[in-house]
Amino acid sequence: GDSVTQMEGPVTLSEEAFLTINCTYTATGYPSLFWYVQYPGEGLQLLLKATKADDKGSNKGFEATYRKETTSFHLEKGSVQVSDSAVYFCALTGAAGNKLTFGGGTRVLVKP
Amino acid sequence: KAGVTQTPRYLIKTRGQQVTLSCSPISGHRSVSWYQQTPGQGLQFLFEYFSETQRNKGNFPGRFSGRQFSNSRSEMNVSTLELGDSALYLCASSPSLTSGANTGELFFGEGSRLTVL
Repeated sequence: GDSVTQMEGPVTLSEEAFLTINCTYTATGYPSLFWYVQYPGEGLQLLLKATKADDKGSNKGFEATYRKETTSFHLEKGSVQVSDSAVYFCALTGAAGNKLTFGGGTRVLVKP
Repeated sequence: KAGVTQTPRYLIKTRGQQVTLSCSPISGHRSVSWYQQTPGQGLQFLFEYFSETQRNKGNFPGRFSGRQFSNSRSEMNVSTLELGDSALYLCASSPSLTSGANTGELFFGEGSRLTVL
């Protein structure tokens, strides 16, 4: 079945540091890939998405590129802020409706 | 536009009881999904409803059930509660196209936190 593996946290960074969160997936066919973020005390929200190979999703300074050859969708941000402290989830959908398969989540803590 | 609303936000039950959780999707969204979030298992898909029909189901026992009403509101029910059912239950709605095709973009509520004692 489909699966998503992402690096375990927590990841602790200083403000303005570079952030990378690795995500790899296993899926049949051509899944769509997503990054969701859960800020403290809030619900999950979509951060960015990519629907086909070589697509780059971007939002709020975050970027991720759909790499079919390496089955990866790594999340990057060049300069993090304290407000980026959150839990980040990599996810995919296959052919089966809106069923999202999530990775385990990576907690990111940005210190001033 | 109002977001996804889940009620109740918090509840405490004892083993063997049953619980019903409610979800009001974003206006116009016809797809509603439910997820269970726990520290050990992470986010796991329970089921998805579209136009009052269950379209997908995850790997949960039959004690977990759901339904969707004609106004797209959804409920999920867990019967004969077990300690392991303690979790944050998340509802998400999606703006599926009129054809039923999926965008894959889910809008989540803040969840109902269930504690089973």
